Amino acid sequence: EDQVTQSPEALRLQEGESSSLNCSYTVSGLRGLFWYRQDPGKGPEFLFTLYSAGEEKEKERLKATLTKKESFLHITAPKPEDSATYLCAVLRGNQFYFGTGTSLTVIP
Amino acid sequence: EPEVTQTPSHQVTQMGQEVILRCVPISNHLYFYWYRQILGQKVEFLVSFYNNEISEKSEIFDDQFSVERPDGSNFTLKIRSTKLEDSAMYFCASSDRLDSSGELFFGEGSRLTVL
Repeated sequence: EDQVTQSPEALRLQEGESSSLNCSYTVSGLRGLFWYRQDPGKGPEFLFTLYSAGEEKEKERLKATLTKKESFLHITAPKPEDSATYLCAVLRGNQFYFGTGTSLTVIP
Repeated sequence: EPEVTQTPSHQVTQMGQEVILRCVPISNHLYFYWYRQILGQKVEFLVSFYNNEISEKSEIFDDQFSVERPDGSNFTLKIRSTKLEDSAMYFCASSDRLDSSGELFFGEGSRLTVL
């Protein structure tokens, strides 16, 4: 069965304390892996698409990387405004399969 | 900046009642989706819609659900006879292309509470 698993479920960081979020997947016929940010009570907001192992994408304090089995979202020197739930999704066929997310809290 | 808009933001209904959730996708987008998120759980695919017909649906999208694009701008999700377990946040999303770019634009969601 296709699965997308994210860890940890929740993460609390001090402002400036870098860390990584993990997304592991077991999906056949993967067409891409995606990271979204979701603020409370809002819809997911697109961050990155990764297509092949070894690929990296960066945006401000975020960097996403991809291997054959997992993806990491690295957060460098986070700020309180980075607090959100980060969702990983994989595209198989024309369907997106989302993980349960990592809830990130950055404490000033 | 163009955005996907959804109404209502919150609807409370009695079990067995019909509910229609409305979405206005981004105007030049061609692909439309409904997802739902039960509180504390993952975002789940319900249905995708292209060229005035359903292109794909999940096992969640059973006979009590239907979608429609009644005019050039609205995209609706109807739940015919709501159940308690239909309580969730329902997200509409749209995209201008069906490839692996992954950039779905999501609305703010409609929270459905079934009593």
